[in-house]
Amino acid sequence: GENVEQHPSTLSVQEGDSAVIKCTYSDSASNYFPWYKQELGKGPQLIIDIRSNVGEKKDQRIAVTLNKTAKHFSLHITETQPEDSAVYFCAASILARDMRFGAGTRLTVKP
Amino acid sequence: NAGVTQTPKFQVLKTGQSMTLQCAQDMNHEYMSWYRQDPGMGLRLIHYSVGAGITDQGEVPNGYNVSRSTTEDFPLRLLSAAPSQTSVYFCASSSGTGVLTDTQYFGPGTRLTVL
Repeated sequence: GENVEQHPSTLSVQEGDSAVIKCTYSDSASNYFPWYKQELGKGPQLIIDIRSNVGEKKDQRIAVTLNKTAKHFSLHITETQPEDSAVYFCAASILARDMRFGAGTRLTVKP
Repeated sequence: NAGVTQTPKFQVLKTGQSMTLQCAQDMNHEYMSWYRQDPGMGLRLIHYSVGAGITDQGEVPNGYNVSRSTTEDFPLRLLSAAPSQTSVYFCASSSGTGVLTDTQYFGPGTRLTVL
């Protein structure tokens, strides 16, 4: 089955700096790659996603890039703010039937 | 819309006890799933359902049963709880069941402790 690896496990940045989180996946048939943000005591919330027919997607300060050949995708957060501090998860799936998640990255934005 | 709701929020069980974690959604979503979240391991899929009457196993199904009698509800049953099932459980739903996965919406979670 699909295996997703996520790096780094923790990331600390100064407010206003950029943050990058990277994920790799193993199954070349995967075609949907969402990113979730999880705040303490809450369920994961989708922040951005990308499908295999697109190489890059941007939504205000958040962007995701996908390299299908290398089987990796990345989350980019620019102009970070303290409220961006949370745990971020990447995931990969082929259909709606079996989504595999990375282990998570704890992002801390220092004011 | 309430979205995805889960009950209870917290539960403590003794080894061998049984219980059902409830999950409901009011978005008329076809796809529903259960995950467990353990420290340092992300979320792992337990069971999922692509519609009423249809369920399938995910990555870690052992020790758990599910059924889907209605579109709205997808309960998760622990028949004989074990300490290894101590975890936070999340239910999720999405509308897509086609070739491409649609956005999954997660519930607030149930924190289960098995003594």
